[in-house]
Amino acid sequence: EAGVAQSPRYKIIEKRQSVAFWCNPISGHATLYWYQQILGQGPKLLIQFQNNGVVDDSQLPKDRFSAERLKGVDSTLKIQPAKLEDSAVYLCASSKLRGLTEAFFGQGTRLTVV
Amino acid sequence: EDKVVQSPLSLVVHEGDTVTLNCSYEVTNFRSLLWYKQEKKAPTFLFMLTSSGIEKKSGRLSSILDKKELFSILNITATQTGDSAIYLCAVERISARQLTFGSGTQLTVLP
Repeated sequence: EAGVAQSPRYKIIEKRQSVAFWCNPISGHATLYWYQQILGQGPKLLIQFQNNGVVDDSQLPKDRFSAERLKGVDSTLKIQPAKLEDSAVYLCASSKLRGLTEAFFGQGTRLTVV
Repeated sequence: EDKVVQSPLSLVVHEGDTVTLNCSYEVTNFRSLLWYKQEKKAPTFLFMLTSSGIEKKSGRLSSILDKKELFSILNITATQTGDSAIYLCAVERISARQLTFGSGTQLTVLP
C-alpha cells in the first residue's frame, strides 16, 4: 500500500512570497489533515477535510493560509504572503472514514522563510 | 482547550537501558490516545489506546493507559540506537476525528 505522498520535500522562500504544498493521501482514505510542526513542538492541526468538505479549519490563519481538496483526493495548502514565523514542517496525514482512526503521515515539507 | 503534556522533554540513555516516557492529558470527550515515533519528519504510528489498564505491546515497546488519572506511559526495554527519535503522544475526541499532540520527548540512545 502506497503511503501519503507530499511535495516538495524542501522549500526556501523569502518573506512575502507565496508557496504551495501538495498532498496525495492513501487510496481510500476519506479524511485528510494538514499539520504545522514548528521546531521543538508537536504537530498542530491546521485543517481537516472529510472527502472534499472542510470539517475543521479553526486553527488555520485564514488571512494568509488556504487549502483545498477539490475532488476529495489530492489537496493543496497555500501560504500567501509568507512570514518568517511560517518556517516549519508541513505534514499531511490521512485516515480511513471508518475503523481505526490512526492517521498516517507523509514525509512532510520543510519550509524555510528568510 | 485540549492539552497534552509529555515528559521528560529529552532523555539520553545507553543501549540496553529501559526507558519510560510519560504523557498526561486533558481532553473533553476522550476517545483515544495514540503514540507516534518521529524520525526526521514523518511520524509513524505505534499504538492506539482506548481502554484503561490494557497493555499494548509490540516487540520491545509497550504502552498502557490510565483513564482515571489521565495519563499514559510508553516503555521501551533493551533500547537500541535505532530507537533514537522523538516520541509523540496525541489524543482524540469522540466528536472530532483529529489529533491534539504533545510537544514530544526526544530520546537519544548512545552506543
